[in-house]
Amino acid sequence: EPEVTQTPSHQVTQMGQEVILRCVPISNHLYFYWYRQILGQKVEFLVSFYNNEISEKSEIFDDQFSVERPDGSNFTLKIRSTKLEDSAMYFCASGRQGLETQYFGPGTRLLVL
Amino acid sequence: DAKTTQPPSMDCAEGRAANLPCNHSTISGNEYVYWYRQIHSQGPQYIIHGLKNNETNEMASLIITEDRKSSTLILPHATLRDTAVYYCIVINAGNMLTFGGGTRLMVKP
Repeated sequence: EPEVTQTPSHQVTQMGQEVILRCVPISNHLYFYWYRQILGQKVEFLVSFYNNEISEKSEIFDDQFSVERPDGSNFTLKIRSTKLEDSAMYFCASGRQGLETQYFGPGTRLLVL
Repeated sequence: DAKTTQPPSMDCAEGRAANLPCNHSTISGNEYVYWYRQIHSQGPQYIIHGLKNNETNEMASLIITEDRKSSTLILPHATLRDTAVYYCIVINAGNMLTFGGGTRLMVKP
């Protein structure tokens, strides 16, 4: 069964550094998402992406964040200058169509020191 | 999207049916009810969804009341591996899933 994959599984970085989180969505999916979950808190929507552009974003997704689909398979989340409060699990998800089921990857645990 | 209300926690004996309720009294006609679960910080896992009719798949059954103001997720024979946080989410045209606190289901031997 096809799955969403994410790399790395864990990343430790220094405050102020740039990080890129990578995701490989399910191959015939057209909609891509990033969510995050701070330890002990709810899963929060960050951004959705379709047809090579952002379709929705939350207040969390400020100018420090960007997303890209650099090729036909990868979907990336970049945090330009990490802050301590960016420490969280970051989940990528994909779906065939906008209102269809979203399938989540296993997440990347980001720790900012 | 409509807000949902779920009990914060529930227990279930292994092998018994787990019935997880969700209230979504402000749901509108074109909004779907989705259920996801999250097992200990893993990625949320899709379980089932429905609009008006009851639905069943290999994981669970979803019972939606006739007025669509509430629903129940049924795990027919709960196992220890079903211990997780279960999220009921109502969604329509927007792409984003809004996760609440969910119900923490503890399946006990």
